[in-house]
Amino acid sequence: SQKIEQNSEALNIQEGKTATLTCNYTNYSPAYLQWYRQDPGRGPVFLLLIRENEKEKRKERLKVTFDTTLKQSLFHITASQPADSATYLCARAGGTSYGKLTFGQGTILTVHP
Amino acid sequence: GAVVSQHPSRVICKSGTSVKIECRSLDFQATTMFWYRQFPKQSLMLMATSNEGSKATYEQGVEKDKFLINHASLTLSTLTVTSAHPEDSSFYICSARTTGGPTNTEAFFGQGTRLTVV
Repeated sequence: SQKIEQNSEALNIQEGKTATLTCNYTNYSPAYLQWYRQDPGRGPVFLLLIRENEKEKRKERLKVTFDTTLKQSLFHITASQPADSATYLCARAGGTSYGKLTFGQGTILTVHP
Repeated sequence: GAVVSQHPSRVICKSGTSVKIECRSLDFQATTMFWYRQFPKQSLMLMATSNEGSKATYEQGVEKDKFLINHASLTLSTLTVTSAHPEDSSFYICSARTTGGPTNTEAFFGQGTRLTVV
């Protein structure tokens, strides 16, 4: 079956360090992947989208990579801050329906001061 | 970015009653909206696709008679949990995309509704 997985349930890092989160997919080749941030009790907020023909995309302190050979996307937050603490979700299009998303399990990032 | 508003943000209801959750796109039109459910410490699971002016499409395992979806206009979709039971307690989230845009674009999510059935 087609799967999208975030292997780390939780990641704890020190303020100022770079956080790296992993998203792996199996049994299919997504045209693009998306990353969202979710705070407790809130809906997800879109961060970045990367297409299969893009190796890397950046937005301020955020960077996403897409490795179709490894079937993996990495999400980096540089110079991390306690305010970056949240759950980060990767997602792929869930099928032919415009807008359906299938999410990974999420990684809870905690940045310690 | 586009804004999606959900109401209510929290609701507590008695077992056996029905609860309606509204999802509105405030500054754009959405022919399609999506309803997700999220249990504690789990990710979002798609329940159904809400189509304006037509029947919703439900994911496998989701009871369409229990989770009634109505998409009466281009800016409003409602999810009604009928005869709610404690196991329906969850976080319900809707999302929408702007109509007519490219397919590979972001989704805008509502703030979610915490449903507790007692």
